[in-house]
Amino acid sequence: EVQLVESGGGLVQPGGSLRLSCAASGFTFSEHYMDWVRQAPGKGLEWVGRTRNKANSYTTEYAASVKGRFTISRDDSKNSLYLQMDSLKTEDTAVYYCIRSTRSPYSNYYFEYWGQGTLVTVSS
Amino acid sequence: DIQMTQSPSSLSASVGDRVTITCRASQGISSSLAWFQQKPGKAPKSLIYAASSLQSGVPSKFSGSGSGTDFTLTISSLQPEDFATYYCQQYKSYPLTFGGGTKVEIK
Repeated sequence: EVQLVESGGGLVQPGGSLRLSCAASGFTFSEHYMDWVRQAPGKGLEWVGRTRNKANSYTTEYAASVKGRFTISRDDSKNSLYLQMDSLKTEDTAVYYCIRSTRSPYSNYYFEYWGQGTLVTVSS
Repeated sequence: DIQMTQSPSSLSASVGDRVTITCRASQGISSSLAWFQQKPGKAPKSLIYAASSLQSGVPSKFSGSGSGTDFTLTISSLQPEDFATYYCQQYKSYPLTFGGGTKVEIK
C-alpha cells in the first residue's frame, strides 16, 4: 500500500524557515517524480514544485510564487522527500501535500497518490 | 501559464442525479488533464488522469472526456459520498495549474 506521511509543519514567524518532510513507503521511491502542492485555508489547490527521479538527474521545477525561497530535495536511501522553506511570508500559510507522480501514456507526469498534509502557519 | 477555468463553481444536486462539471484550458493541453475529489478536512483524492482514464479503485460512475481545451467530469448517479469539491488540473506544461474547484452540494 502506498503511503505518504508529511511532517514538520507548525507556526513560524514571517521571514523564518521551516523544513517539511515526507516519508514514503509501499513503492519504489527512487523511480518516481515527487511533487508538493499546497492549499491555503478555504482556498483552492496550488502546485509548489517537483523533483524528478535519479534517471532525470533529480532536476526540479518550481512555481513562480516560491522560486528562490523554497527548495525541494529527496533522499532515495531514506525514501524521503523534503521541502525547505525560507523567507516565509504570511501568504505561505497553507496545508502542504506530498504527492507521488506517475508517467502518463503521453510521457508527462500526473499526480497519483497524496499524503494527508501538514499545516504551515506563518504569523507573528 | 495555462489558466484552467471550471464551471460551475458550485452546484446543488439530488442523490441519483447525473452531474457534469466542465473544465476549460486557456490553451491546448492534449489529454494532459486530471480530476481530483476533495472532502472537507481531507486530502484530495485522484480520480482521473489523461482526461478519461480512471485511477485504480475509482468507481466507474466517474467518467472523464475531452481533449485540447475542453473537458468534462461526469458522475452518472450521485451518491451521498460524492458530495465534495472537484478540481481539474493540467500537467501539460509548467507551472502545473488547477481549476478553481466545483463544490457539489446536496439539494
